Amino acid sequence: QVHLQGSGPGLVMPSGTLSLTCTVSGVSVSSDKWWSWVRQPPGKGLEWIGEIYHSGRTNLNPSLKSRLTLTLDQSTNQFSLRLTSVTAADTAVYYCANFDFWSDVVFDFWAQGTLVTVSS
Amino acid sequence: FVMTQTPLSSPVTLGQPASMSCRSSQSLLHSDGNTYLSWLHQRPGQPPRLLIYKISNRFSGVPDRFSGSGAGTDFTLNISRVEAEDVGVYYCTQATQFPQTFGQGTRLEIK
Repeated sequence: QVHLQGSGPGLVMPSGTLSLTCTVSGVSVSSDKWWSWVRQPPGKGLEWIGEIYHSGRTNLNPSLKSRLTLTLDQSTNQFSLRLTSVTAADTAVYYCANFDFWSDVVFDFWAQGTLVTVSS
Repeated sequence: FVMTQTPLSSPVTLGQPASMSCRSSQSLLHSDGNTYLSWLHQRPGQPPRLLIYKISNRFSGVPDRFSGSGAGTDFTLNISRVEAEDVGVYYCTQATQFPQTFGQGTRLEIK
């Protein structure tokens, strides 16, 4: 069973950098999977941020691509998100996840979510 | 691809059916013949969970009172008999066209 736990600062200054880490247990991040980030502003809907493959290849939402970096650390079995130049619009619950709704083998694992507030 | 869900809120009596719609701005039929449209359910304070994938396939453990249908640009999620645990927000999501996008959600409430 895959278990994911997100962590990171709950408060980030405007124009600063938002950094989150997702610790994975039950499976290696070096296995043949995509590791995803989704966010949800308070009281609003879901936005797909991006995903990283075990090889390090990434797919990033074009709306965030210029500010976004996703990385993966096999030694700690973690994957991470880094979003620069944040504004209040980046305030959201950030979910790390491992899901595939589209292939023949369908799965769906999510962390509980980390609330990040951008404020001075 | 813009996903539009209706209604935004749906008050339903326990034991009664519920239905919600998801419309895409363009056809979700992929060139490989699949339609990558799924439905998720999010309870308050919880991450979303997969209910239905590829229009009409129930995910493991999802009760058979949930069913999905549709094609092209119009899709529907039906609940045959609403139970208390079904409250929350339902999202449709597509991955036919990059990037994956979500509808704004339909909130299911008990009358």
